[in-house]
Amino acid sequence: QLQLQESGPGLVKPSETLSLTCTVSGGSISSSSYYWGWIRQPPGKGLEWIGSIYYSGSTYYNPSLKSRVTISVDTSKNQFSLKLSSVTAADTAVYYCARHRLGVMVRGVIAWFDPWGQGTLVTVSS
Amino acid sequence: QSVLTQPPSVSAAPGQKVTISCSGSSSNIGNNYVSWYQQLPGTAPKLLIYENNKRPSGIPDRFSGSKSGTSATLGITGLQTGDEADYYCGTWDSSLSGGVFGTGTKVTVL
Repeated sequence: QLQLQESGPGLVKPSETLSLTCTVSGGSISSSSYYWGWIRQPPGKGLEWIGSIYYSGSTYYNPSLKSRVTISVDTSKNQFSLKLSSVTAADTAVYYCARHRLGVMVRGVIAWFDPWGQGTLVTVSS
Repeated sequence: QSVLTQPPSVSAAPGQKVTISCSGSSSNIGNNYVSWYQQLPGTAPKLLIYENNKRPSGIPDRFSGSKSGTSATLGITGLQTGDEADYYCGTWDSSLSGGVFGTGTKVTVL
């Protein structure tokens, strides 16, 4: 059974860089047809997709965050990581990692997230 | 800020049916597949519906999905107290080249 687990600091100072890692177990991060994504949810608010990466290193980023986001993959460790720079209080959120099925079909793009990690709360505060 | 619009809340009595709408545009729902997620209080979202109307293994057939034009709908029949949760639609936006989620709908069982 595929499982994902986020890890990283729960507290980050304003203007610094948020760094999280997602460890994949029960399957290979090098699976074809699947990207690996980051999604966040500010307290009491909705879901926001941050970006996704393929095992080859190909990435998609949310345009609103693109200038501050870097997602990388380490296939040897079955992990992928998120870096978000110049954080502010608005970046306080629960951060989830998830497997991202992403494919272009005749009738459109298939995109869904499953499974998800349990999530980790990152607070931006001095 | 979300490009997909859902009603903030819906409610019904146990055993009844609810439907949740998700409205988008031709760059997202209109030309791509839709997924739905259930988020129980304090937990991570869980995939309920993918590719408009398919259910992952283990999801009861009380949950159904459909799509028409630039809107999608999630239906829940035989409502149970355990269905109280937030529900989100999601899809790909071809103009943004990125994933998008709906604003979320809270389901309350009266």
